Amino acid sequence: DGGITQSPKYLFRKEGQNVTLSCEQNLNHDAMYWYRQDPGQGLRLIYYSQIVNDFQKGDIAEGYSVSREKKESFPLTVTSAQKNPTAFYLCASSMKGLGTGELFFGEGSRLTVL
Amino acid sequence: AQSVTQLGSHVSVSEGALVLLRCNYSSSVPPYLFWYVQYPNQGLQLLLKYTTGATLVKGINGFEAEFKKSETSFHLTKPSAHMSDAAEYFCAVRGMTTDSWGKLQFGAGTQVVVTP
Repeated sequence: DGGITQSPKYLFRKEGQNVTLSCEQNLNHDAMYWYRQDPGQGLRLIYYSQIVNDFQKGDIAEGYSVSREKKESFPLTVTSAQKNPTAFYLCASSMKGLGTGELFFGEGSRLTVL
Repeated sequence: AQSVTQLGSHVSVSEGALVLLRCNYSSSVPPYLFWYVQYPNQGLQLLLKYTTGATLVKGINGFEAEFKKSETSFHLTKPSAHMSDAAEYFCAVRGMTTDSWGKLQFGAGTQVVVTP
């Protein structure tokens, strides 16, 4: 079945450590996104990519980095520069261009900094 | 820029009663609007969407929403709540300007509690 796979589902990290969250999709979608979710704040866009080897900052990119070396994969690295990294992270994808913009989401990764 | 406001961060409804979740949007061009549902510790699932055409949109699980341009609203309703409707619901608008094209702007979410 087509879908988006995020791993790990739960992750614990010590302060000062970088951590990478995986996101893989087999929907043949061009665009991929990373959102951060905090209680009461909805979803905030971190980074997005509309084509391989290209990506743009979203609203809260500071302290995060991404790569898009393959169409199927869009990993997110939470760096030690991110001041408050504990959150629920959601990866999504969509068809590019003149589509309706509907996003398909993964199951999420919950990061806790100890 | 597009934005959405969801009225009420928490809604409590009795099983069998009407579910009404409010969403107002801001957009300088005709919007594309979405409602998503999220169950605990899971991703978001699309309930329904409005792009063009009929203003009353039917979605999954018995939900529907009506696009009202004059009121800049896209409220979500379900005639009879079920225990399984307990979840968080998000309204979203698609970016339609050059720098926001294709990106969704989400509301803060409304948590729905269903009581027996």
